[in-house]
Amino acid sequence: EPEVTQTPSHQVTQMGQEVILRCVPISNHLYFYWYRQILGQKVEFLVSFYNNEISEKSEIFDDQFSVERPDGSNFTLKIRSTKLEDSAMYFCASRPWGSGGQETQYFGPGTRLLVL
Amino acid sequence: GNSVTQMEGPVTLSEEAFLTINCTYTATGYPSLFWYVQYPGEGLQLLLKATKADDKGSNKGFEATYRKETTSFHLEKGSVQVSDSAVYFCALTPSGGGADGLTFGKGTHLIIQP
Repeated sequence: EPEVTQTPSHQVTQMGQEVILRCVPISNHLYFYWYRQILGQKVEFLVSFYNNEISEKSEIFDDQFSVERPDGSNFTLKIRSTKLEDSAMYFCASRPWGSGGQETQYFGPGTRLLVL
Repeated sequence: GNSVTQMEGPVTLSEEAFLTINCTYTATGYPSLFWYVQYPGEGLQLLLKATKADDKGSNKGFEATYRKETTSFHLEKGSVQVSDSAVYFCALTPSGGGADGLTFGKGTHLIIQP
């Protein structure tokens, strides 16, 4: 069964450093998402991506964040200058084309980011 | 804006007990409703969903019915097992098209004791 994959599974970085989190969505999916989950808190939507551009973004997704689909398979989240409060689990998700929110989003296993 | 409220845990039950995890939502129109489960050390997996009022989603013995009149989507299971121990998230996407993200509740940590 196809699945969303994410690398790395864990990343430790120093405050102020740039990090890139990578995701490989399911191959025939068209919509891509990033979410984050701060330890002990709920999962929060960051951004959605469709047709090679950002479709929706939350207030959390400020200028420090960017997303890219550099080739036909990868989907990346870049944090330009990490802050302590960026420490969280980051989930990538993808879904096929379909009628709006009815289609299921499939999640990857997550990347745990720790900013020191 | 949209929001999801679910009972917070941990909820501790004995094996074979009946489970209810309450979930209510605030949204305009007719959102789609989901329950996701997160097993220890793993990502989020879809458990079940319902996309219109009075629909019942079901999977692995779990059920939830989309109740528009009470804006609720409570998760139930008749007889829980130790393997059901996990964190359960209620979530919604707004009605209409587009690439809207899921709005999640805070999650309910379920612990099943043998």
